[in-house]
Amino acid sequence: DTEVTQTPKHLVMGMTNKKSLKCEQHMGHRAMYWYKQKAKKPPELMFVYSYEKLSINESVPSRFSPECPNSSLLNLHLHALQPEDSALYLCASSQEGESATNEKLFFGSGTQLSVL
Amino acid sequence: SQQGEEDPQALSIQEGENATMNCSYKTSINNLQWYRQNSGRGLVHLILIRSNEREKHSGRLRVTLDTSKKSSSLLITASRAADTASYFCAWEIYNFNKFYFGSGTKLNVKP
Repeated sequence: DTEVTQTPKHLVMGMTNKKSLKCEQHMGHRAMYWYKQKAKKPPELMFVYSYEKLSINESVPSRFSPECPNSSLLNLHLHALQPEDSALYLCASSQEGESATNEKLFFGSGTQLSVL
Repeated sequence: SQQGEEDPQALSIQEGENATMNCSYKTSINNLQWYRQNSGRGLVHLILIRSNEREKHSGRLRVTLDTSKKSSSLLITASRAADTASYFCAWEIYNFNKFYFGSGTKLNVKP
């Protein structure tokens, strides 16, 4: 199984809503990532979890709250988002390799989020 | 900024021609990788080159890396209409376990 599964594929939410994005992988990868991608732009790194601990937060606003309940799951909790947060949210995982370097990223197909 | 630069931003070629896209980054890296993205969905890994390598081949793909110039290029030979997609370089920052992406090249291969 070389898949990263993201749900839901599409999400529309109001600015007062609370929602969660989910990501799952069963490849035994120990690093998991959240990226945000606006249309016609490259993915921008948001968070990195390494061995289920948050290792990198790229100064992301607190209305985005990541969670890693176990080594296979990654969630992104959303609260009080703004319309400019509308984007494609991508989850990825990687197998930490030798010398603490990571190998390639495996991406899910993303959640297209619209904030009204 | 997380972004590096890629050029060209867009490239339109005929089927059978070669496509070359270039990437520049700003920091020391562990490795550099190229990814492909169709229709704004998930990215697919194409090829990885380590910081101590200069050239690598995989099928119709050839990637080069010049760490002194902090640049890389991806060559797709004998392109096909199915190669139409956006291509991104990505680098893993040395000792920081982070992957950052270049600005991307949108490739259109006309049949």
